[in-house]
Amino acid sequence: QKEVEQDPGPLSVPEGAIVSLNCTYSNSAFQYFMWYRQYSRKGPELLMYTYSSGNKEDGRFTAQVDKSSKYISLFIRDSQPSDSATYLCAMSVQGAQKLVFGQGTRLTINP
Amino acid sequence: DAMVIQNPRYQVTQFGKPVTLSCSQTLNHNVMYWYQQKSSQAPKLLFHYYDKDFNNEADTPDNFQSRRPNTSFCFLDIRSPGLGDAAMYLCATSRDPGDRGGNQPQHFGDGTRLSIL
Repeated sequence: QKEVEQDPGPLSVPEGAIVSLNCTYSNSAFQYFMWYRQYSRKGPELLMYTYSSGNKEDGRFTAQVDKSSKYISLFIRDSQPSDSATYLCAMSVQGAQKLVFGQGTRLTINP
Repeated sequence: DAMVIQNPRYQVTQFGKPVTLSCSQTLNHNVMYWYQQKSSQAPKLLFHYYDKDFNNEADTPDNFQSRRPNTSFCFLDIRSPGLGDAAMYLCATSRDPGDRGGNQPQHFGDGTRLSIL
């Protein structure tokens, strides 16, 4: 079993829809949770960075962390074609900079 | 804008011919990382530097080496590339978590796509 599981998709939704992306993990020591967006032939771009459980909102993006369920989510409201990309979840243990990534979910927003 | 810059963006080399990829940063971060990312896979950490201190991942092949001559630059050397080394190589940087009491986010360059003939 992988340490971080992420449905690779692909996921295709119409423009304006609410998108939900999810990861589950097995290591209860993870404390830092990140979402990266990666466009084709580009490097990962940090979208959200959260510590421990709770919600964090930034514009159309909301990140949720449920440590009791070992489950994190990224919600995208009013999705746009420019949101089409691969979304990677990543997490790390306190004091260790090593990131453990999910496989990435390929998302397409159709105009 | 402060950034992480990787050169070249695309590199083609021959099987067994040494190749060097470079990374520079203007963020003044003291931690630098090299990742390997194959198609439709998650990035895999190869090694990282805390300032001059080199930290190798246990499963990184000996074929992969790195140099960090100063804060701004870091190089990835592949001594004898094999076909299995064709991938995107990503450089990332972060602040030292010790300076701010917690893990710090990593910022990535756009990668070098390496092809092996």
